[in-house]
Amino acid sequence: DVVITQSPLSLAVTLGQGASISCRSSHSLVDSDGNTYFNWFQQRPGQSPRRLIYKVSNRDSGVPDRFSGGGSGTHFTLKISRVEAEDVGVYYCMQGVHWPPTFGQGTKVEIK
Amino acid sequence: QVQLQQSGPGLVTPSGTLSLTCTVSGASMASYYWSWIRQPPGKGLEYIGYVSYTGITNYTPSLKSRLTILVDTSKNQFSLKLSSVTAADTAVYYCATDVITFGGVPYGMEVWGQGTTVTVSS
Repeated sequence: DVVITQSPLSLAVTLGQGASISCRSSHSLVDSDGNTYFNWFQQRPGQSPRRLIYKVSNRDSGVPDRFSGGGSGTHFTLKISRVEAEDVGVYYCMQGVHWPPTFGQGTKVEIK
Repeated sequence: QVQLQQSGPGLVTPSGTLSLTCTVSGASMASYYWSWIRQPPGKGLEYIGYVSYTGITNYTPSLKSRLTILVDTSKNQFSLKLSSVTAADTAVYYCATDVITFGGVPYGMEVWGQGTTVTVSS
């Protein structure tokens, strides 16, 4: 299985400050069709995961523009430009190129 | 918009069969593939498998021998059955909408159900 290594595993951020989460994949995530199927999910405490970003950098409907995704190949990042209290939770990255789909370990974001 | 409502027992005895159902509203079953994902207590997400509206399935290798995912388009439902369960199968189970690549790998997971906590215990 493709291994995705997330870092950091925990992040304490001051309200209004930025945050960045990194994911590195053991295999290239460029599919044979040229697309890169890499998503980011947010899981607030006690809730189901919610997709934030699909195909590296596309925000889902209703996701604030302070969330942005980037990267290519084997290295990807999620940036939160100005952290708000509602952003507390665990963030997961996921690859959908190699079977089976695999997730990173998760990054817990809390407010300092 | 698509909504997924999960149902099924929260307690399963060891060596028994875990059975969950996901009821779809707001979309045709033909619009998506339908996936199951689980999350052991305090841990991350693990992909389980998917079914298409025509009944095509694909299962993660580690669970393949014990897993059955079915679709019932007449009821707008899909289901998961995991046999010979042990304590290691204790987890929150989620259903989700999905789309797949030309290579058959799910990459969507746009909409999720509310989750069902399943405990394997006697």
